[in-house]
Amino acid sequence: DTAVSQTPKYLVTQMGNDKSIKCEQNLGHDTMYWYKQDSKKFLKIMFSYNNKELIINETVPNRFSPKSPDKAHLNLHINSLELGDSAVYFCASSQTPSGGGEQFFGPGTRLTVL
Amino acid sequence: QKEVEQDPGPLSVPEGAIVSLNCTYSNSAFQYFMWYRQYSRKGPELLMYTYSSGNKEDGRFTAQVDKSSKYISLFIRDSQPSDSATYLCAILEAYNNNDMRFGAGTRLTVKP
Repeated sequence: DTAVSQTPKYLVTQMGNDKSIKCEQNLGHDTMYWYKQDSKKFLKIMFSYNNKELIINETVPNRFSPKSPDKAHLNLHINSLELGDSAVYFCASSQTPSGGGEQFFGPGTRLTVL
Repeated sequence: QKEVEQDPGPLSVPEGAIVSLNCTYSNSAFQYFMWYRQYSRKGPELLMYTYSSGNKEDGRFTAQVDKSSKYISLFIRDSQPSDSATYLCAILEAYNNNDMRFGAGTRLTVKP
């Protein structure tokens, strides 16, 4: 059973397009995250949702909009894609935002903007 | 200054060597300290985590935290080729909605 799943696994698209990445977790966790991993493998948090409410919103362009239809899903929509958006995007979930430390990661979505 | 500094390597060692991976951090508010292992084209997987200064051992892996120096380490004893991966340190500010910061990751290759 996949704990945290992301679709698609690979996404190649042209500059200027709008695309979405979906994330689902079947762990019953309350908190979900989106991370961006750049070419140097540095992971940066982008957003965090707890029970469908936005709790962390780092400085990312407003072309990126997370959407959480329910606490098991956190989707990432990106408008007007730019070359610099090319990266691997990881979704993750954890039991609660109040400590513990363990986050479960999805397999990542490799986005390439041409 | 980045909140978490980690030497990206790459680091190459012979099989059986002791590996030492290190990170430093700047914000003393961070409470939890984790090490993730990431194989090529896979998501990071949690290897160990601790929330106190001192050592925590799990098989061939030892995580060490020195809060006074803001320094964390991961030691791998009797390293194996299957340990070849990128290791990321991560620290978490538990009282700020699980705000987590990752190091850049150190790429480790263990040669047979």
